[in-house]
Amino acid sequence: DTGVSQDPRHKITKRGQNVTFRCDPISEHNRLYWYRQTLGQGPEFLTYFQNEAQLEKSRLLSDRFSAERPKGSFSTLEIQRTEQGDSAMYLCASSLSGRWSEQFFGPGTRLTVL
Amino acid sequence: KNEVEQSPQNLTAQEGEFITINCSYSVGISALHWLQQHPGGGIVSLFMLSSGKKKHGRLIATINIQEKHSSLHITASHPRDSAVYICAVGYGNKLVFGAGTILRVKS
Repeated sequence: DTGVSQDPRHKITKRGQNVTFRCDPISEHNRLYWYRQTLGQGPEFLTYFQNEAQLEKSRLLSDRFSAERPKGSFSTLEIQRTEQGDSAMYLCASSLSGRWSEQFFGPGTRLTVL
Repeated sequence: KNEVEQSPQNLTAQEGEFITINCSYSVGISALHWLQQHPGGGIVSLFMLSSGKKKHGRLIATINIQEKHSSLHITASHPRDSAVYICAVGYGNKLVFGAGTILRVKS
C-alpha cells in the first residue's frame, strides 16, 4: 500500500454513459497526476495538479475528459459519453513538488466500456 | 518512434539467473525511474536516478547520461521477481513511460 487510494477499483459501463473516478493522494503531497494505461503498454500522462491548479493537460485528454482537485486534496476524473476506446486502467499518482520527487502510485481504476 | 524504448519486451529466466533489462530514451530528462508493476495494476517505484549507479538488495540500476541509456539488473532472480518492469523518464513535470518488460522467473 503506497498511501494513494483510488475508487472504484473496477468500473463496467455502457457506451455513452458518464463515469467519475476518485483519487485520494498522500495527504502532504501537493502534486497529483492522472495517467492512462492500455493493455500491454506503459502508462501515458493525462494531466497533473499542483495543489488545486491544473497545470498541464495532455492532448490525449479530449473534451470528454475533465479533472478537478477542488481543495487541493482529492481529485476526480470524469469521462463523459464513454467510448469503447476509453477502456483502460486509470492511474493516479502523487508527489511533493520538485524535480527529484518520487511519485507514489495508486492501485488504479480499471474501466471497461461495453 | 517512442521517446522511451525498453528491451526485451518479454523475458523468461530460470531461478537464480542474472537478468538485465535495458532502457533507451531520446528526450532530455531530469531523472530516470525504474518501476515494478504486478498483475492487478499497482506500480511501485524501485529506483530514481540521474547519474551513476544505485543498488537495493538484489536490484542494481545504472544510467549513462551521455548515451541516454539505463539498465536494470536483478541478481539471483527468484519467482517473486516476476512482474512488469517499466522505465520512465522525468520530462518537464511529468513522466514518460516505456512499454514495459514482462519478466517471468521459473523455479
